Amino acid sequence: NAGVTQTPKFQVLKTGQSMTLQCAQDMNHEYMSWYRQDPGMGLRLIHYSVGAGITDQGEVPNGYNVSRSTTEDFPLRLLSAAPSQTSVYFCASSPFRGSTDTQYFGPGTRLTVL
Amino acid sequence: QQPVQSPQAVILREGEDAVINCSSSKALYSVHWYRQKHGEAPVFLMILLKGGEQKGHEKISASFNEKKQQSSLYLTASQLSYSGTYFCGTVQGGSEKLVFGKGTKLTVNP
Repeated sequence: NAGVTQTPKFQVLKTGQSMTLQCAQDMNHEYMSWYRQDPGMGLRLIHYSVGAGITDQGEVPNGYNVSRSTTEDFPLRLLSAAPSQTSVYFCASSPFRGSTDTQYFGPGTRLTVL
Repeated sequence: QQPVQSPQAVILREGEDAVINCSSSKALYSVHWYRQKHGEAPVFLMILLKGGEQKGHEKISASFNEKKQQSSLYLTASQLSYSGTYFCGTVQGGSEKLVFGKGTKLTVNP
C-alpha cells in the first residue's frame, strides 16, 4: 500500500491563481481531512469528509473548496490564492471515524503564494 | 475550538521525564496525541476515549480527565528519539471534527 499520497510536494503560485492539491489513499478509508500548518499555529482543520459524497467545514474553510466523489480521492481547491494561504498542507485519512480512529497523514504539500 | 497545550516547549536530558498537558473548554468525546519530527508528517501516538478506552503506543502513557476536559501525556525515561513537536487533538461529543492544539516542542539532549 502507498498509504496517503499528496501531489505536488511543492508549489509556488501568484496571487489570484487557482489550483488543486491532490490527495489519494489506497486503504479504503472512509474518513479524510485537510489541515494546514503554519508556524506557531499548530494543525488547523480546513475541511473533512466522512465518506464519498459527504463533506463538511473545519475551522478555517474560507478560500478552499473540497469534493469527495470517490472513497480514494479528496482534492482541495484554492479558488483565488492569497499570500495568507502560504502554508504546509497535510491530508489525512482514517478507517471509519475521525473521532475514534488513527489518522494517517500524507507527506504534505508546501505552498507559497507570492 | 483549539485545545490549549502546555508547556509550549520543554528541554530535557536523556532519561528525564516530561508531562505535556492539553485542556479544552468544551465537553470532549476523545483526545488524540501525535508527534511530528521536523519536516515530516505527524505520527499517531494514542487515542483516549470518553469512558476509559485507550488505543495506542505501548511505551506511551496518557490520561484523560473527563470531568475537567483535560489530558496529559507522560514521557518517561526520555530518549533522543522522543524529540519533536507533540500535538493534542480533541473531538467534541457528536462531532467528527478532530481539532489540534498549537503543539509542544520537546527537545531531548544527550
